Amino acid sequence: GAVVSQHPSWVICKSGTSVKIECRSLDFQATTMFWYRQFPKQSLMLMATSNEGSKATYEQGVEKDKFLINHASLTLSTLTVTSAHPEDSSFYICSAWPAGRVSQPQHFGDGTRLSIL
Amino acid sequence: GNSVTQMEGPVTLSEEAFLTINCTYTATGYPSLFWYVQYPGEGLQLLLKATKADDKGSNKGFEATYRKETTSFHLEKGSVQVSDSAVYFCALSDQNYGGSQGNLIFGKGTKLSVKP
Repeated sequence: GAVVSQHPSWVICKSGTSVKIECRSLDFQATTMFWYRQFPKQSLMLMATSNEGSKATYEQGVEKDKFLINHASLTLSTLTVTSAHPEDSSFYICSAWPAGRVSQPQHFGDGTRLSIL
Repeated sequence: GNSVTQMEGPVTLSEEAFLTINCTYTATGYPSLFWYVQYPGEGLQLLLKATKADDKGSNKGFEATYRKETTSFHLEKGSVQVSDSAVYFCALSDQNYGGSQGNLIFGKGTKLSVKP
């Protein structure tokens, strides 16, 4: 079945560091990927829609300069949290939508737990 | 705008008990509806889906029926197991053009704990 790999699964770093999270579709191509953020005991909130070959579409209230998204190929999207601070600590989850298979649902990665000290 | 409301947890059941997690939605058009499950420390896994009214999604003993008249998509299982302990999210897709799907709108999640 369709698999989405997200890396790293867990990262701890100091305040002010930039952190890159990768989302890869392993056995399908994805023109569209989504990045979500999940706070403890809360639901997933869509941050942005990543489109291959074009700029990402950010949801209202999400700082595009803070959360840089690059969708460089049909199998890879990256989210970079720039100059991370403790309030950026969260669980980040990506999903990918198989290109050309419009009846299929999104496939989710296992998430990245980001802890900023 | 589109939204999903699901019953708040946590829900604690004994093994083999009957499970119902309520989910209602507000949407324009004809959204697709989903239930996702999140096991501790993991990402989301699609549990089941329904793309049109009266469709029944089912998987691993779980069922949910797309009820347009009541705008509901309640999740049910006749006999839960300890391994079903997880957080369950109801979701809808806010675009449906010829079967295509846009981003998902999630409910707040319901934590289920099943005791032996």
